[in-house]
Amino acid sequence: GEDVEQSLFLSVREGDSSVINCTYTDSSSTYLYWYKQEPGAGLQLLTYIFSNMDMKQDQRLTVLLNKKDKHLSLRIADTQTGDSAIYFCAESRYSSASKIIFGSGTRLSIRP
Amino acid sequence: EAGVVQSPRYKIIEKKQPVAFWCNPISGHNTLYWYLQNLGQGPELLIRYENEEAVDDSQLPKDRFSAERLKGVDSTLKIQPAELGDSAVYLCASSGQGANTGELFFGEGSRLTVL
Repeated sequence: GEDVEQSLFLSVREGDSSVINCTYTDSSSTYLYWYKQEPGAGLQLLTYIFSNMDMKQDQRLTVLLNKKDKHLSLRIADTQTGDSAIYFCAESRYSSASKIIFGSGTRLSIRP
Repeated sequence: EAGVVQSPRYKIIEKKQPVAFWCNPISGHNTLYWYLQNLGQGPELLIRYENEEAVDDSQLPKDRFSAERLKGVDSTLKIQPAELGDSAVYLCASSGQGANTGELFFGEGSRLTVL
C-alpha cells in the first residue's frame, strides 16, 4: 500500500534555512502536499506540487520533487520562531482530497 | 468565513463509556471527513461523506464506531463503548468542489482521553 515517511525531528537556528524531507512509495502519486500543524490546532495546507513539476517556490517556501527517487523536500528560508510546528508530507493520486495519505510528521524546533 | 468547527475540544471518560464528537464543516463544502490522529502520527481517514452518503468507511471500526451526517451538513462521530486505545485526537475536515488542489480544511480537533 501507499506509505509516506519522514524524519521525526529537526532543529534549526533562527534565521537559517530548514529542509524537511519526505519519501513516498506510490509511483502513481499525482499531487504532493505539505501541511503545517501548530500546537493544539488542525492541519493547514502550506503548499502543494503536481507530479509533473520539479520545483515550486512560494515566498520563503521551496518545494523540490524528485519523482524518480520519490523524494519530496520542503525548504523554509530564514526560519523564524513562528515556523515551529509539525510539518506533514502527504500524497494523493487524485485531484480531489478523497485519498490523501499523510506521513507521521516532522517536528521543527527553532533555537535562538 | 468560519472554518471547520468541532466540539468538544477535550473529553475525558472512563473506558466502556460512550462519547460523541460533533463537526460543522465550512459552508458549502459537500465533502466531510473524520480522521484519527494518534500521538506522534499523521491523520488517518476513518470515514468520508459526500453530502449525506458515507462513500468511504472502510477504515471505520464498525463494532464500536458510528457516524452520521443526516442533512449533509453537520456530522457526529460516536464511540460506544470507548476503549483505552481510543485515546487520540479526532479531526474533522471538509473540502469543496471546484478546487483542483485537493485541499483539506481541518478543524482544531477533539482530544479524547480514555481512563
